[in-house]
Amino acid sequence: GEDVEQSLFLSVREGDSSVINCTYTDSSSTYLYWYKQEPGAGLQLLTYIFSNMDMKQDQRLTVLLNKKDKHLSLRIADTQTGDSAIYFCAEYTGRRALTFGSGTRLQVQP
Amino acid sequence: GAVVSQHPSWVICKSGTSVKIECRSLDFQATTMFWYRQFPKQSLMLMATSNEGSKATYEQGVEKDKFLINHASLTLSTLTVTSAHPEDSSFYICSARIDWTEAFFGQGTRLTVV
Repeated sequence: GEDVEQSLFLSVREGDSSVINCTYTDSSSTYLYWYKQEPGAGLQLLTYIFSNMDMKQDQRLTVLLNKKDKHLSLRIADTQTGDSAIYFCAEYTGRRALTFGSGTRLQVQP
Repeated sequence: GAVVSQHPSWVICKSGTSVKIECRSLDFQATTMFWYRQFPKQSLMLMATSNEGSKATYEQGVEKDKFLINHASLTLSTLTVTSAHPEDSSFYICSARIDWTEAFFGQGTRLTVV
């Protein structure tokens, strides 16, 4: 079955790097996504990675995928207070809609 | 990126009334849209898949007579919460796919039933 798990909370200082981790169980995942949700808002697509890739970098964001361990991470370099939000990882297996993790609340302290 | 617009952003209604939420894809056509529900401090729970020109596919445990979905055109899907009760209060989010790589989300609708 499909199951996506994340740690619930991460606190970092402004300027540090943040690493948000995610594990999934469905080996047939084709695409894996990272979304950002600010309070009271919808989801903003940050980035996605195809399952045959190991890494993808987009400005301050770096996504690492370990397909063997079914582990996905999102690294945010030089974290800013505006990065404070909930981050969801999600997987798409082609069979249905995205399956989301529980979300990681990132708190950035000045 | 593509834009998915949801309306209204928030709504308060009385118990027993019905509320309609609209989801529009503004700059692309979406044959499939998805409706999610999000409880406070929780993840998104898929409610149903809305298919243009055909019946929606509901997830297990979601009452199809309670949550009516209509996908009348390639740019519009509606979710109607019928005979709303306080336990229906939640954050509802729709999403639409451009292709099989990217899914974009509306800004969400906060429903409060009093």
